[in-house]
Amino acid sequence: DAKTTQPPSMDCAEGRAANLPCNHSTISGNEYVYWYRQIHSQGPQYIIHGLKNNETNEMASLIITEDRKSSTLILPHATLRDTAVYYCIVRALNTNAGKSTFGDGTTLTVKP
Amino acid sequence: DTGVSQDPRHKITKRGQNVTFRCDPISEHNRLYWYRQTLGQGPEFLTYFQNEAQLEKSRLLSDRFSAERPKGSFSTLEIQRTEQGDSAMYLCASSSAAGGPFHNEQFFGPGTRLTVL
Repeated sequence: DAKTTQPPSMDCAEGRAANLPCNHSTISGNEYVYWYRQIHSQGPQYIIHGLKNNETNEMASLIITEDRKSSTLILPHATLRDTAVYYCIVRALNTNAGKSTFGDGTTLTVKP
Repeated sequence: DTGVSQDPRHKITKRGQNVTFRCDPISEHNRLYWYRQTLGQGPEFLTYFQNEAQLEKSRLLSDRFSAERPKGSFSTLEIQRTEQGDSAMYLCASSSAAGGPFHNEQFFGPGTRLTVL
């Protein structure tokens, strides 16, 4: 699975959009980009995933560049409860049985 | 609650003791994964089952570690002769190999935090 690079930490003001970047320059054509988050002392929680088109769900939006070498997770109106570690991973859908290779993620702190 | 459950949530043990953790996956999921997470780092893959078959093991899984999934439902992870370096959060996840919007998506349990004194 391709390696990802994320900034170690970011701050965001409550109510503002949080934009979390991820570099995955060695991504393969069959690899999806997945985002998870982990709130303190809990297991990781799935947020969103995409292949090449931008995706949106009730939690977030995922913007993937045209060359697929980077992506941005957008939390449109961050709340204090969005304070967590956010992980970007890339994974092929049907290989390695879906095991995930996590990096160290980005610690997002939402401030009042 | 129909999510992944793990038991116990916390375990404190003395060095050299054996410990066993249990994971109950989402009932219709045939894939089950174990990860280990140390403080400040992301989860690291340990092993994976499809039904009752253990199909992959990480080199992190030393011979003191053994995982089973005897009936293709719940799984156990046993650590023998625990060492202080085994202190970590042990996470279990499950997924379905079937198609659908959450195809192959992993759902994580709350984890078991192990402290070896």
